[in-house]
Amino acid sequence: AQSVTQLGSHVSVSEGALVLLRCNYSSSVPPYLFWYVQYPNQGLQLLLKYTSAATLVKGINGFEAEFKKSETSFHLTKPSAHMSDAAEYFCAVSLNTNAGKSTFGDGTTLTVKP
Amino acid sequence: DVKVTQSSRYLVKRTGEKVFLECVQDMDHENMFWYRQDPGLGLRLIYFSYDVKMKEKGDIPEGYSVSREKKERFSLILESASTNQTSMYLCASLVGRDRGPYNEQFFGPGTRLTVL
Repeated sequence: AQSVTQLGSHVSVSEGALVLLRCNYSSSVPPYLFWYVQYPNQGLQLLLKYTSAATLVKGINGFEAEFKKSETSFHLTKPSAHMSDAAEYFCAVSLNTNAGKSTFGDGTTLTVKP
Repeated sequence: DVKVTQSSRYLVKRTGEKVFLECVQDMDHENMFWYRQDPGLGLRLIYFSYDVKMKEKGDIPEGYSVSREKKERFSLILESASTNQTSMYLCASLVGRDRGPYNEQFFGPGTRLTVL
C-alpha cells in the first residue's frame, strides 16, 4: 500500500522568501516520488521526480526536492519565491508493485504576497 | 510535446442525463487515467486503462464507466448524472508497457462538470 501526506493545505510566503512544501510518504517498497504543479484552470504538470538515481532532485522553475528515506519525506523547496509560483502543488507516489498507479496528496495551495 | 486534450472545459448537465467526457492523447501512450479533483481531497482515481479495450477500476468507480476503443482515446461515462458528481475531471496519460511507475503522467486541462 502507498500513501502521501502533504502537511499544510495552504502556505503563504512573501515574494523573495524561501518556499517549503512538505510531503511525507508511506510505502512498503522503494517509491518513485513526484511533485506536480497546477496553475489556475489548468491540468497538472510535472515539476520534478525522484527515481532513485540521486536523492537531491532539481526541477523546473528553480524548484528542488530531497528524498530522505529515514524521514520518509520528499519536501519541495525554492530559495526565492516569485509571484508566478502561486499555484497548487501535489506530491505523488508510485510503486512497481501497484501497476503504475500513482497516489496523490491532497495538495498545497501556495500564495505569494508582494 | 505530449498533448492531452479534453472535449470540453466546462459542462453543465441535468440530473439523470448520460454524460460523456472525452480525452485524446497524441503520443501513443499505453496507459490512460481518469481522475476527479475536489477541494481538499486531491486527485482520486476513477478508472484507468493500460491498453485498448482494457480497463481497471480505481478508487471511486461507482457511478462511472469508461471506454477505450482506440489507443489515443479514453472516454468517461456518467450513466445517470447526479449532483454529487459535480467536480473537476482530469484525464492523464502515461508511457510504458510496464505501466511505467517511474514515469510522469501528462494531464489534460480538465473538464469542470456541473450537474444541476
